[in-house]
Amino acid sequence: ETGVTQTPRHLVMGMTNKKSLKCEQHLGHNAMYWYKQSAKKPLELMFVYSLEERVENNSVPSRFSPECPNSSHLFLHLHTLQPEDSALYLCASSQELQGKSTGELFFGEGSRLTVL
Amino acid sequence: GDSVTQMEGPVTLSEEAFLTINCTYTATGYPSLFWYVQYPGEGLQLLLKATKADDKGSNKGFEATYRKETTSFHLEKGSVQVSDSAVYFCALTRAYSGAGSYQLTFGKGTKLSVIP
Repeated sequence: ETGVTQTPRHLVMGMTNKKSLKCEQHLGHNAMYWYKQSAKKPLELMFVYSLEERVENNSVPSRFSPECPNSSHLFLHLHTLQPEDSALYLCASSQELQGKSTGELFFGEGSRLTVL
Repeated sequence: GDSVTQMEGPVTLSEEAFLTINCTYTATGYPSLFWYVQYPGEGLQLLLKATKADDKGSNKGFEATYRKETTSFHLEKGSVQVSDSAVYFCALTRAYSGAGSYQLTFGKGTKLSVIP
């Protein structure tokens, strides 16, 4: 496999469920990101991991919990979500230098989440 | 804070028409500027970039010039094809390291439909 792979592609869950989104990058990059894409809104950066350390957390509710066990894998654990959390969740990776984004991100195809 | 404003869509053009998608930005210093494209059912892909004033980014027949004096980065293509139908996002990164330096600020996106 090449690039950035996300699973599952589609997920439907109830508000009391616990689920996880998985992202794997095969590009040898040192930074990974979670973005939320909602209709008619700009992409929202949720979390950034650089060298497996969380470097940014943009005021995301605690019902979203990221995990980065190594530089190739990133998870987003979901618990007690709300219907307004329904969106496309995009994972991305990049090779960053000196603690600053180059802006050249490689995105996965996304996980479409529906919360009932 | 940093922001990106794109022209509202959707934009519908006939094949071989000229395309312009306007993008203006607000940022401190000299950010890098990007255009990303999202084809149906896929994640975002980097289309082109420019890192300093008067730079022209180009790829696949698309061009954009970094205009510091007008804080703009308009996307152009001389002759669009049906395969160019997608959502186009203008984006910028901060010009400095430190808090928020991994942030890629996106516009809301402009949907382009090209009809035969």
